[in-house]
Amino acid sequence: DAGITQSPRYKITETGRQVTLMCHQTWSHSYMFWYRQDLGHGLRLIYYSAAADITDKGEVPDGYVVSRSKTENFPLTLESATRSQTSVYFCASSEGTGIGELFFGEGSRLTVL
Amino acid sequence: RKEVEQDPGPFNVPEGATVAFNCTYSNSASQSFFWYRQDCRKEPKLLMSVYSSGNEDGRFTAQLNRASQYISLLIRDSKLSDSATYLCVVTLFYGGSQGNLIFGKGTKLSVKP
Repeated sequence: DAGITQSPRYKITETGRQVTLMCHQTWSHSYMFWYRQDLGHGLRLIYYSAAADITDKGEVPDGYVVSRSKTENFPLTLESATRSQTSVYFCASSEGTGIGELFFGEGSRLTVL
Repeated sequence: RKEVEQDPGPFNVPEGATVAFNCTYSNSASQSFFWYRQDCRKEPKLLMSVYSSGNEDGRFTAQLNRASQYISLLIRDSKLSDSATYLCVVTLFYGGSQGNLIFGKGTKLSVKP
């Protein structure tokens, strides 16, 4: 089915470990985004991508790495996880940024011990 | 001042009530406005865009006041299924079509029988 899927949905890891959250969309949307959502902060943009091989930082990029070798995939990597990166991570896609609707994945709940 | 501010609530209302949420934004250059709905432990989904002339979708009415820099969402005849968190979203464009969506922290609505 068409849509945007994230994996894993739930992840527990330890401080210092590398973690990769996957995001896949089947709409061929140009734009993809990674947000984190924390109590008291709402949704904050980590990174976004306007097209394959084009990525840019959002509001809170430190400690994260992204890549976009294919239009449909936009993985987010925490190179050395910290407790402060415990959060719910949402991937989203849209045909344009700020123009149309954002379609979100179901979220990945990450706990860093 | 936060870029997008919302009353966090919760708004506890009985079924059938009319409830209104406001959202203020700080940047007068903001150009696009949206309301998203987020159910508990789910992803945000677009509820409606907000147009300059105001717009209505069934029981939901959205309005924009550029002079005072706020948008509003009115829900008439509240249903139990309206219980959710409502996110105000504002877009800034930095040139061309490249924009940045700023999310408010959300207003929680609880509709009681």
